[in-house]
Amino acid sequence: DTAVSQTPKYLVTQMGNDKSIKCEQNLGHDTMYWYKQDSKKFLKIMFSYNNKELIINETVPNRFSPKSPDKAHLNLHINSLELGDSAVYFCASSLAESTEAFFGQGTRLTVV
Amino acid sequence: SQQGEEDPQALSIQEGENATMNCSYKTSINNLQWYRQNSGRGLVHLILIRSNEREKHSGRLRVTLDTSKKSSSLLITASRAADTASYFCAPGAGNNRKLIWGLGTSLAVNP
Repeated sequence: DTAVSQTPKYLVTQMGNDKSIKCEQNLGHDTMYWYKQDSKKFLKIMFSYNNKELIINETVPNRFSPKSPDKAHLNLHINSLELGDSAVYFCASSLAESTEAFFGQGTRLTVV
Repeated sequence: SQQGEEDPQALSIQEGENATMNCSYKTSINNLQWYRQNSGRGLVHLILIRSNEREKHSGRLRVTLDTSKKSSSLLITASRAADTASYFCAPGAGNNRKLIWGLGTSLAVNP
């Protein structure tokens, strides 16, 4: 069973579109995250979320918004996509703060 | 920010040799974690060392932590071609603010 799964694996879309990436974890973890990895392999956290608190990296544009329908899901919604949004987006989860994080396989987003 | 900075950025060795990667960080932590990323894949947790620990082993991995110098090292012994990957350190604070992980160390193990 896949611990952290995200869909789609690849996403190609035009500038200005709105898209969502879905993430689900079956580990019973309380905290989920979204990371962005750019072409230079720089890995940056975008959001950290549990049922109590959403922590937003202040450098993330407000076009990006996490949506959590329940504890096992944290979807990433992106409005008005820009070329610079092209990257690989990783979802992750952990049992608690600062514990081992489990990552999904990533979604490669290409904005054309 | 809890940024881990890995050094060197790239390392190329022969199979069977040892590989050492270093990580420096800037703020207080309660643990530090090392992850591996194979090309095009997600990150995989390797080992976690707590701030009150100085050294930890897991198989062929040995991690050290020096909180006075705010640095950690990851040693892979008897490397294999399958160890080829990027390695990231993640300093962890109580509020889990692993904001920026850095570029990682790209390790190439040549058969």
